[in-house]
Amino acid sequence: SQQGEEDPQALSIQEGENATMNCSYKTSINNLQWYRQNSGRGLVHLILIRSNEREKHSGRLRVTLDTSKKSSSLLITASRAADTASYFCATVSTGNQFYFGTGTSLTVIP
Amino acid sequence: DTAVSQTPKYLVTQMGNDKSIKCEQNLGHDTMYWYKQDSKKFLKIMFSYNNKELIINETVPNRFSPKSPDKAHLNLHINSLELGDSAVYFCASSQFTLSTDTQYFGPGTRLTVL
Repeated sequence: SQQGEEDPQALSIQEGENATMNCSYKTSINNLQWYRQNSGRGLVHLILIRSNEREKHSGRLRVTLDTSKKSSSLLITASRAADTASYFCATVSTGNQFYFGTGTSLTVIP
Repeated sequence: DTAVSQTPKYLVTQMGNDKSIKCEQNLGHDTMYWYKQDSKKFLKIMFSYNNKELIINETVPNRFSPKSPDKAHLNLHINSLELGDSAVYFCASSQFTLSTDTQYFGPGTRLTVL
């Protein structure tokens, strides 16, 4: 099966609230990446976190990585309607295999 | 300027036909990729080329053949199209390889096989 499983599959929140998405994977990784996909569009890279890093920030985004649990989380703070999209984690394994997760569909209600 | 472009954006065709999707990147990247996204939004890597050489070739029917005339272009040719080929196909590029680098995606080509 695929490498990354994301949780929840769908998330609906009010504007201004925080959104948290989780990603679990199965094998050792070199890095883990988060992407956003707006409806009908291509993917946009958000953050890359390497296996020796535990946390990274970019604007309102915060990504954590726990390699012992083989999991990562993406936190979007103070969400906006424009954050409505699908969010995918992607892992690059130590064997250089690349997998996308199943995605979380986020809806931010104005 | 568009970084990664694909043509066509939409492609509707009959079963059994042969079709091509073109991809170009103007980022000067060394590596290009093709992905398939099915109706459930599951994304799967198909191929990867680095400097015109195939480096990733996942389990894909041999009806799919990538062609890289130069490192800025990676085209996808599909023979004998089947209903199950209907999906959105994304091209992407990165400066180096997957293990160290992020990817830039094209807008996608929605292929519908009737």
